[in-house]
Amino acid sequence: SQQGEEDPQALSIQEGENATMNCSYKTSINNLQWYRQNSGRGLVHLILIRSNEREKHSGRLRVTLDTSKKSSSLLITASRAADTASYFCATDEGGSYIPTFGRGTSLIVHP
Amino acid sequence: GAGVSQSPRYKVAKRGQDVALRCDPISGHVSLFWYQQALGQGPEFLTYFQNEAQLDKSGLPSDRFFAERPEGSVSTLKIQRTQQEDSAVYLCASSLARGGAYGYTFGSGTRLTVV
Repeated sequence: SQQGEEDPQALSIQEGENATMNCSYKTSINNLQWYRQNSGRGLVHLILIRSNEREKHSGRLRVTLDTSKKSSSLLITASRAADTASYFCATDEGGSYIPTFGRGTSLIVHP
Repeated sequence: GAGVSQSPRYKVAKRGQDVALRCDPISGHVSLFWYQQALGQGPEFLTYFQNEAQLDKSGLPSDRFFAERPEGSVSTLKIQRTQQEDSAVYLCASSLARGGAYGYTFGSGTRLTVV
């Protein structure tokens, strides 16, 4: 079963534009994480946000968390062609400490 | 090592063959997870170890799937009598401690193709 669901499923933008992806989940969580996966490779951990945090930044990444709406967003500013990848959110279902992934958002950044 | 290492990188198996997939986690990482990722899908949880103890195997799809981590470091995922629906990328992840406070480090995966 998949806890987090990303939206949109696919996103195509031009280099320099911002990319926003959303994640919704169903049950209470301790933390939410975002990962990037390049084609045919493993997942790379981008950022972790805890349930008592509302916003976090890391370089060109900005993550928000709204526990009342059970949703999170990942914003990539000033996108680059190298940002082309699939992005997944992962949540731990009600304290199980086992990250559960959504289906991901496929991002294509055109140079 | 510096990261999580998985081998082999690619495996082609004939239907009915047994396969063994290896995961070398980061040294000292307590938690180890196995995931199965079908094409175009997100990773699906298979099983979780804390040190050598297999604390959760609820995601294993059938009794043909078996995982072990006998000394609390290297783990092996074994699939017996492989079937075509077993074709997927198998990902291993490790974490410094129980829980997600430190994030999870993933290996590059083993792509299994059953023909």
